[in-house]
Amino acid sequence: NAGVTQTPKFRVLKTGQSMTLLCAQDMNHEYMYWYRQDPGMGLRLIHYSVGEGTTAKGEVPDGYNVSRLKKQNFLLGLESAAPSQTSVYFCASSPPGTGGVNTEAFFGQGTRLTVV
Amino acid sequence: AQTVTQSQPEMSVQEAETVTLSCTYDTSESDYYLFWYKQPPSRQMILVIRQEAYKQQNATENRFSVNFQKAAKSFSLKISDSQLGDAAMYFCAYRRDSNYQLIWGAGTKLIIKP
Repeated sequence: NAGVTQTPKFRVLKTGQSMTLLCAQDMNHEYMYWYRQDPGMGLRLIHYSVGEGTTAKGEVPDGYNVSRLKKQNFLLGLESAAPSQTSVYFCASSPPGTGGVNTEAFFGQGTRLTVV
Repeated sequence: AQTVTQSQPEMSVQEAETVTLSCTYDTSESDYYLFWYKQPPSRQMILVIRQEAYKQQNATENRFSVNFQKAAKSFSLKISDSQLGDAAMYFCAYRRDSNYQLIWGAGTKLIIKP
């Protein structure tokens, strides 16, 4: 049971460089999310997807783009990295929230990104 | 908009003793879910316990239990018989019943003293 897998686990970028973070889940979940975690703060939602081919903005979407071409994968892109995007990024997935007790999100192990 | 507040940035407890972590939230919804997640130094987010708002009975999972006070909008986590492996950041999170987004508190760092 792999669950939610993020690639890579660590990355250092120079300002202005681009990169893509990959998230893969094998639980057939409809919903997927990208969060960032900064010191002293709770996780903040960047973008999310409620199904294959759909994406939507979360709380802090600026500077990021996402794609969900396949149900099991959710990609987070940084087109031009900035030092303010230094953070730990978490991907998560969950089944739809209505009517079920199994509503918790399952998380990947996180990606520590440093932009210098 | 919903908010989640954890007023204790750090807590410490002696091994084998009991500790309670506080969480309050603000919402106008009647149906929602509340969660406690644990984040050890490995960074992995691990679900500790969850509570459905429509259930009056407090959730329990082995040494972990919650005190859910819906009217007061309070959701505290009690850890009994604390163990060294319980040392971690603990996050409280809120989710609307018909929604997907988790709203997170800032976290409480739990230190276990041997």
